[in-house]
Amino acid sequence: DAGVIQSPRHEVTEMGQEVTLRCKPISGHDYLFWYRQTMMRGLELLIYFNNNVPIDDSGMPEDRFSAKMPNASFSTLKIQPSEPRDSAVYFCASSPSPGTPWQYFGPGTRLTVT
Amino acid sequence: GENVEQHPSTLSVQEGDSAVIKCTYSDSASNYFPWYKQELGKGPQLIIDIRSNVGEKKDQRIAVTLNKTAKHFSLHITETQPEDSAVYFCAASIRGDTRSQGNLIFGKGTKLSVKP
Repeated sequence: DAGVIQSPRHEVTEMGQEVTLRCKPISGHDYLFWYRQTMMRGLELLIYFNNNVPIDDSGMPEDRFSAKMPNASFSTLKIQPSEPRDSAVYFCASSPSPGTPWQYFGPGTRLTVT
Repeated sequence: GENVEQHPSTLSVQEGDSAVIKCTYSDSASNYFPWYKQELGKGPQLIIDIRSNVGEKKDQRIAVTLNKTAKHFSLHITETQPEDSAVYFCAASIRGDTRSQGNLIFGKGTKLSVKP
């Protein structure tokens, strides 16, 4: 398996623009997580899905952020409009089931908002 | 909610020495404690984990200990090598049901440098 795939790997955009980050989880994994990593706040869980259904989105910073999982093999994290403080590395991770608690992380998307 | 504190934030050791990273957690209901290694430009990768029903787990040069009473757990790396240089994260969560699956609370990380 290729592991968790994220695209793009790097994104530079101007303030006010819409940004869409994409994730393909490992095949067969029931859980998908979106994290944000910054120097100040470390790794923060934004939202996670179980069987394509959002379970907990309490970590989503504000209404400018939204996430979808239209099917078991694809998820998006959208920021609209983007702001400089959204600059961070965004990770997607997937996990097989509650019985196997470890999470497999993707390589991340480094987002820079100017 | 759960809070995980990790120390030190940076650690520098000579090749061959041991390295110890410590974490404390606040929620006594937490029962699963993984450790992740993040190399430059990559996502965190699970290196070892421990559940609350054991006090110690070892995998070659890496070991993790857990003290449930004191609510702290530690990562021990022996005979360190330059390729051990990375950022290490501890985490804590409550396992057992669907809703808590995502509650993996991370420490702030420790940047380990192993000097040859």
